[in-house]
Amino acid sequence: NAGVTQTPKFRVLKTGQSMTLLCAQDMNHEYMYWYRQDPGMGLRLIHYSVGEGTTAKGEVPDGYNVSRLKKQNFLLGLESAAPSQTSVYFCASSYSGPNEQFFGPGTRLTVL
Amino acid sequence: DAKTTQPPSMDCAEGRAANLPCNHSTISGNEYVYWYRQIHSQGPQYIIHGLKNNETNEMASLIITEDRKSSTLILPHATLRDTAVYYCIVLYTDKLIFGTGTRLQVFP
Repeated sequence: NAGVTQTPKFRVLKTGQSMTLLCAQDMNHEYMYWYRQDPGMGLRLIHYSVGEGTTAKGEVPDGYNVSRLKKQNFLLGLESAAPSQTSVYFCASSYSGPNEQFFGPGTRLTVL
Repeated sequence: DAKTTQPPSMDCAEGRAANLPCNHSTISGNEYVYWYRQIHSQGPQYIIHGLKNNETNEMASLIITEDRKSSTLILPHATLRDTAVYYCIVLYTDKLIFGTGTRLQVFP
């Protein structure tokens, strides 16, 4: 099992450009999460999903959109990237909310 | 949502027990305490969680005080590979709210 994978690993964008980050899990987990981590900070929840076709806002949802069309995939979109969105993005999944979350390796995004 | 307070950093000698404290004085009766760690720039790794009773697994032990206002994560025999940032988290509905954690440095 690959666990949780994230694509791409690194990306550099110019201000105003758009992109989509892909998270995939092969553990048949219901819950999926997107976090961002800025230097020296803990992780902050952007959006999450409690099942296929559902999404919900986390702590810092502004500037991001998400979709969960398939149970195994959770997409994070940036419609118009800003330098403040420069961060490391982590995806995670869990069988249910209170269970342990499995994290992906992260995507390092730089917005110039 | 309950917040947690942790010391920003701690040191521990290799082979000794590492005791990482966490205060969560506003925790509600049905909120779990979770511990995760993040080694270097990797994704966080689950360690252990508990509600009221002490818990132990192959990685660590979790001691929760009777009033549930604080807890301690114990790594019984710390190794250099345990050097990481350790996060104490109180589960808020279905969401983990991370703080800034404790940076544990294990030295030879």
